[in-house]
Amino acid sequence: DSGVTQTPKHLITATGQRVTLRCSPRSGDLSVYWYQQSLDQGLQFLIQYYNGEERAKGNILERFSAQQFPDLHSELNLSSLELGDSALYFCASSGTGGAGGANVLTFGAGSRLTVL
Amino acid sequence: QKEVEQDPGPLSVPEGAIVSLNCTYSNSAFQYFMWYRQYSRKGPELLMYTYSSGNKEDGRFTAQVDKSSKYISLFIRDSQPSDSATYLCATYNDYKLSFGAGTTVTVRA
Repeated sequence: DSGVTQTPKHLITATGQRVTLRCSPRSGDLSVYWYQQSLDQGLQFLIQYYNGEERAKGNILERFSAQQFPDLHSELNLSSLELGDSALYFCASSGTGGAGGANVLTFGAGSRLTVL
Repeated sequence: QKEVEQDPGPLSVPEGAIVSLNCTYSNSAFQYFMWYRQYSRKGPELLMYTYSSGNKEDGRFTAQVDKSSKYISLFIRDSQPSDSATYLCATYNDYKLSFGAGTTVTVRA
């Protein structure tokens, strides 16, 4: 157990629907990252939050949004789902401080999304 | 240009062989380099962490960074079937970790 908790583990839904993925970071970690992993794209960075504030944004679609709450858990919202959104979505967290702290990510087990 | 390039393989070796994995990166300003291991679509787990140039050894694993050529390597000595996994190189910059495509390694018993 990495200490990063993601729910749900599996999700099957239909095109056009909206889903919410949830992530609880490791105890004490202030940063949360979201990644998408599909078979043909590898691990793609979506977005990062630090203590409730968005700090970095990657190739996140406009149909996707995220937030980090005061208790530091984070949610990734995916709307108007398309077949191509089927993927593994990983959450990761990191601590503070310099080398070996803020830049070492611990990943959760992932949420597998299937869009039919 | 991708920030980190990695040959996806796959790579198949007999048990006991040395596994050699390589990546190149684009930006000479990168300072933090990692190798993650991912078993069959589970969450990636940190294997090795290197700051700047040089070598780092941990048991059967050695990570190398050559900043002059922007090249990072991972060597696995005395490979075991349990080492069969996908290995991802990564670099941390601008508040994110950028990954290579991952190399799938199979160690045959």
